[in-house]
Amino acid sequence: DQQVKQNSPSLSVQEGRISILNCDYTNSMFDYFLWYKKYPAEGPTFLISISSIKDKNEDGRFTVFLNKSAKHLSLHIVPSQPGDSAVYFCAAGANNLFFGTGTRLTVIP
Amino acid sequence: DAGVIQSPRHEVTEMGQEVTLRCKPISGHNSLFWYRQTMMRGLELLIYFNNNVPIDDSGMPEDRFSAKMPNASFSTLKIQPSEPRDSAVYFCASSYDGTVANTGELFFGEGSRLTVL
Repeated sequence: DQQVKQNSPSLSVQEGRISILNCDYTNSMFDYFLWYKKYPAEGPTFLISISSIKDKNEDGRFTVFLNKSAKHLSLHIVPSQPGDSAVYFCAAGANNLFFGTGTRLTVIP
Repeated sequence: DAGVIQSPRHEVTEMGQEVTLRCKPISGHNSLFWYRQTMMRGLELLIYFNNNVPIDDSGMPEDRFSAKMPNASFSTLKIQPSEPRDSAVYFCASSYDGTVANTGELFFGEGSRLTVL
């Protein structure tokens, strides 16, 4: 059973608008929550993370929000740019990471 | 610094053949992970090692899969015999305890795309 779920396989957003990617997890013992970005034919690359003691972490255009009571996290990208088009994986865990199935973001120029 | 290096990048083989995927982690990293990416399940953790010792292999699908880490700079994932349903992209990732304690970040290789005919 998937411990980390991304229920939206794809998302299309106009350039300049906000992209919101969502993720749910089941294990309340998870300590770290991360987002990875993946381009075709490349490995996933780390984007941003948040620990369980925080509810928000911001890095430039990227912000991750954590709602521990709902076991939910989200990634906000604002403003979205065409170069942000990629597959985004949510990950969570402690000593090892469990990944979701990914959301393919397309930013339309 | 070199990142995680995986080989081969692409492998096409016939059902029943043995497949060996290789990984060289980032120097100084003490944890190594093997993941499999499929459309249905995303990135599945197969096995991970810490200080060359297998810690959790509960994700290994069946006895046809085996993984070894004979030293800190090399790991293999072997499938014998291979089946068409094993077709996927296999990623190796590494980390060190300090990174995990701070962000949980793993560093991924570029993956090995396996096609079993």
